[in-house]
Amino acid sequence: AQTVTQSQPEMSVQEAETVTLSCTYDTSENNYYLFWYKQPPSRQMILVIRQEAYKQQNATENRFSVNFQKAAKSFSLKISDSQLGDTAMYFCAFMKSESGGGADGLTFGKGTHLIIQP
Amino acid sequence: DTGVSQDPRHKITKRGQNVTFRCDPISEHNRLYWYRQTLGQGPEFLTYFQNEAQLEKSRLLSDRFSAERPKGSFSTLEIQRTEQGDSAMYLCASSSNRVYGYTFGSGTRLTVV
Repeated sequence: AQTVTQSQPEMSVQEAETVTLSCTYDTSENNYYLFWYKQPPSRQMILVIRQEAYKQQNATENRFSVNFQKAAKSFSLKISDSQLGDTAMYFCAFMKSESGGGADGLTFGKGTHLIIQP
Repeated sequence: DTGVSQDPRHKITKRGQNVTFRCDPISEHNRLYWYRQTLGQGPEFLTYFQNEAQLEKSRLLSDRFSAERPKGSFSTLEIQRTEQGDSAMYLCASSSNRVYGYTFGSGTRLTVV
């Protein structure tokens, strides 16, 4: 079974600063997908960024980028030029590569509550 | 298409009552998922449908829980004889291709008193 660990329950930074959220995972799989989801106070989960394990290049989406270290099983999220609207719970999630046999579901970490201070 | 819709948004019920939640996925998405999220935790996988077929159920889904997706469109999640431990946010998500992630609904918050 896979596990996802987010060791920072809460983080707080000033607006416009850069913040990095950490995530580690444990799996025996070689091929898989990793995701960061954002859950604002309205509670709807929104996909922020995804990474395919077979790709060495780190994914980037505008102000959001990841540092994917496969050997270390680490998948951190960097938010540059943070904005007040970035305040939310952030969840790291793991998905096996192959479909079926219990592989379809996402395994989530417990989340990091990110607060952007004005 | 307005995304994944869940109804109701909130449900308060007495212990022992049955409740049913509905999820309307994005119309072209053939995959539909149910998750449960308790306070301070990440969502936990409950069950998954591909079209009308329920292909996977978590051990978290006890015999009191049943999910259906008749005709491969909307889905219902029923909890019979509710217990206080069932209090949680129930999230529905859909996707057309799992590797690109899911679209989540806003959830149904269940409170069992």
